[in-house]
Amino acid sequence: DVKVTQSSRYLVKRTGEKVFLECVQDMDHENMFWYRQDPGLGLRLIYFSYDVKMKEKGDIPEGYSVSREKKERFSLILESASTNQTSMYLCASSRHAPPFEQFFGPGTRLTVL
Amino acid sequence: AQTVTQSQPEMSVQEAETVTLSCTYDTSESDYYLFWYKQPPSRQMILVIRQEAYKQQNATENRFSVNFQKAAKSFSLKISDSQLGDAAMYFCAYRSYSGGGADGLTFGKGTHLIIQP
Repeated sequence: DVKVTQSSRYLVKRTGEKVFLECVQDMDHENMFWYRQDPGLGLRLIYFSYDVKMKEKGDIPEGYSVSREKKERFSLILESASTNQTSMYLCASSRHAPPFEQFFGPGTRLTVL
Repeated sequence: AQTVTQSQPEMSVQEAETVTLSCTYDTSESDYYLFWYKQPPSRQMILVIRQEAYKQQNATENRFSVNFQKAAKSFSLKISDSQLGDAAMYFCAYRSYSGGGADGLTFGKGTHLIIQP
């Protein structure tokens, strides 16, 4: 059974803190993604990676960075958390070939106070 | 840039009846993929069904089927014999083929489906 796991279901941080969200997949997928989900806005792509140490900006990369040191692990970093980064964060992975189906983790609900 | 529009923020249907969720998209490409994802209250996003644009035949997965109208850029999801477990947020998503092996999905804003017992 394919699996994408995220380090935390819920996280509460203070403004200005550095925040790490971790994602691990066990499907040997080449591609990994971070999305942000907000009510009424759907999911928006923050960053993605198609290989170890490779990264590409998505639609809303400002205020975020990512790290992919190993194929199975993709981290989202908030260098200095702000209240407008309070949101649900979803990680996903996919093969580097059609049909490009993405498999999602359970999400991390981050609250920045 | 591609956009995906789900015009129904919320839909309600009686158990055992049929419901159709609408999705339209805007693209200038000819090759792409379309997906419907389900997100129940547990938050786990699950793929319901996918459609390759080059295929004329509409995809079907058990009680779930799509009506893919390429010229109209429409991709609706029909759920037959609705069950309580179908209650969830449903997201329509688009994926370009020209992006090569790595590209994100473009999502609609979602439709909240309520199943009335």
